[in-house]
Amino acid sequence: EVQLVESGGGLVQPGGSLRLSCAASGFTFSSYWMHWVRQAPGKGLVWVSRINSDSDGSYTSYAASVKGRFTISRDNAKNTLYLQMNSLRAEDTAVYYCAGSSGHNWFDPWGQGTLVTVSS
Amino acid sequence: DIVMTQSPDSLAVSLGERATINCKSSQSVLYSSNNKNYLAWYQQKPGQPPKLLIYWASTRESGVPDRFSGSGSGTDFTLTIGSLQAEDVAVYYCQQYYSTPLTFGPGTKVDIK
Repeated sequence: EVQLVESGGGLVQPGGSLRLSCAASGFTFSSYWMHWVRQAPGKGLVWVSRINSDSDGSYTSYAASVKGRFTISRDNAKNTLYLQMNSLRAEDTAVYYCAGSSGHNWFDPWGQGTLVTVSS
Repeated sequence: DIVMTQSPDSLAVSLGERATINCKSSQSVLYSSNNKNYLAWYQQKPGQPPKLLIYWASTRESGVPDRFSGSGSGTDFTLTIGSLQAEDVAVYYCQQYYSTPLTFGPGTKVDIK
């Protein structure tokens, strides 16, 4: 069964840091491009970041709103995707989903999401 | 950035009737070298992650019922639910993957009338 399971969310103060993880199983993780997509409470979907597969050079890209604050990475030996989030702001409050794409940037599969709340 | 818009914001359709959702991109998402539209559709039910329905604007993902169909090209696209079922109540999003940043439409909520 194809599965993505996020963890690491929680409550953090403004200016704080958090690292999200996404454990993959049931598919060839190393050959997938991987993404983080977030959804603020009651709002729509917003793409956050992407990391290409190793065969494509592990290239990364970011939304302008998080560039310089968030870092995406992957460990193919552990089938795990990460998102290091620094200098967090209230507007980063959202459910963060990890998602995969196999060569083209539509998203499938998706994880169930992990909630990040930035508040004092 | 490519801005995606959707209309209507919400609609209510009787069971068995057709639902039509429109999506427009601020610039063409048709890639001339392969004549493919870089446009996907997703369904999101409350408390669940999105589910891929359609990619390349009109290719149905495996396992998606054939009452879901996508059409359009360039900047204007449509998702049609041919005969609305109770389990289709959800928010539907379009997404362009022509260029980064990858962007979604704001969503269209579909309910039963």
